[in-house]
Amino acid sequence: KAGVTQTPRYLIKTRGQQVTLSCSPISGHRSVSWYQQTPGQGLQFLFEYFSETQRNKGNFPGRFSGRQFSNSRSEMNVSTLELGDSALYLCASSLEVGTQETQYFGPGTRLLVL
Amino acid sequence: GNSVTQMEGPVTLSEEAFLTINCTYTATGYPSLFWYVQYPGEGLQLLLKATKADDKGSNKGFEATYRKETTSFHLEKGSVQVSDSAVYFCALILAGGTSYGKLTFGQGTILTVHP
Repeated sequence: KAGVTQTPRYLIKTRGQQVTLSCSPISGHRSVSWYQQTPGQGLQFLFEYFSETQRNKGNFPGRFSGRQFSNSRSEMNVSTLELGDSALYLCASSLEVGTQETQYFGPGTRLLVL
Repeated sequence: GNSVTQMEGPVTLSEEAFLTINCTYTATGYPSLFWYVQYPGEGLQLLLKATKADDKGSNKGFEATYRKETTSFHLEKGSVQVSDSAVYFCALILAGGTSYGKLTFGQGTILTVHP
């Protein structure tokens, strides 16, 4: 079974631009979570989607948004990019049989904001 | 709130040495506990997990036991290899409500194993 895939793997943007990142979960997985990883803050939860609904959101500004499609694929969008948004963005999928299901991670998208 | 604390790194060992990475947690409720490993330039890979007290997770020679009384989930391996060099993350997840899909991670421990 194919793992979680994320595209693109690398991105360079400039301040003020916006960016969209994509995540395809493992086949059959219905929950997708997004995380931001930086050297200073570590791994921080952004949001979680299940059946096209956002069920949970972390402490990030409204510039960070996401959505999930009927095939469980998910996208996250960051508008008005700031230098501090440079990070590795990871998505993870789970079966969501229960709410403590194991999450399986993709390789990440590394975003550099100049 | 919920939190995970890992021992400070980096940890540097010689090949075949014994490894312990300490992890303690604070949680409201009964979390599931995980260890993930991250190799350079990659995402996180699940190493092992435990879902209830006294459960022992194990994989690839690594072990960790869910200790409710000490709120700990220490990672151990009897004999490390150079290929084990990576960053290790301890994490927890709770059920439902504001915890949907939210893993809470420790700060990560860098492990370097020398030949």
